Amino acid sequence: QPVLTQPTSLSASPGASARFTCTLRSGINVGTYRIYWYQQKPGSLPRYLLRYKSDSDKQQGSGVPSRFSGSKDASTNAGLLLISGLQSEDEADYYCAIWYSSTVVFGGGTKLTVL
Amino acid sequence: EVQLVQSGAEVKKPGESLKISCKGSGYSFTSYWIGWVRQMPGKGLEWMGIIYPGDSDTRYSPSFQGQVTISADKSISTAYLQWSSLKASDTAMYYCARRGPQAAFDPWGQGTLVTVSS
Repeated sequence: QPVLTQPTSLSASPGASARFTCTLRSGINVGTYRIYWYQQKPGSLPRYLLRYKSDSDKQQGSGVPSRFSGSKDASTNAGLLLISGLQSEDEADYYCAIWYSSTVVFGGGTKLTVL
Repeated sequence: EVQLVQSGAEVKKPGESLKISCKGSGYSFTSYWIGWVRQMPGKGLEWMGIIYPGDSDTRYSPSFQGQVTISADKSISTAYLQWSSLKASDTAMYYCARRGPQAAFDPWGQGTLVTVSS
């Protein structure tokens, strides 16, 4: 079982909200980790969006709009990325990552389609 | 402005060696870790390893240990990723990225496309 699991795809309408999940493997407690989120638009390099551990330990990437936010769902052991007011330009792949055992682990990524 | 500029695209044959580079500017190069990330065609991001240019302390992902070598020359603010014997399966885009104060990878280099084909 992978360390981080992300759904392959997500679809949402312009103006709606999107909720991305990043589920940590059983035995790895989401409460312990900072979850990092990256956006990669087609043909472009990845961009750091934000990190979230708790409401008192979070950071927004430089220039990242406040409609991008992070959260956690302890009941499902998952980190969450929330995008409100979806725009067509938000169509991209979204990756979560954690520092785990002195290495970085990326999730497989979720492709967002805005239609 | 903090910037990472990578070397250009490469086309190589299986068995050949290769060294690609990532030059940092706009910050103290020796004070921040530089990581390398692979992205195979149509696939996701894979972390390869990381180096601290200040003392060349290097860590590798278990998946890439022994497959590549990460190094840095702090005198010219440049990190490197090298292969001694390329395989077709090394065909990918390779990104370098700075590990910032909050441990996020930001910014990223523009990427170096490596194509290995006979």
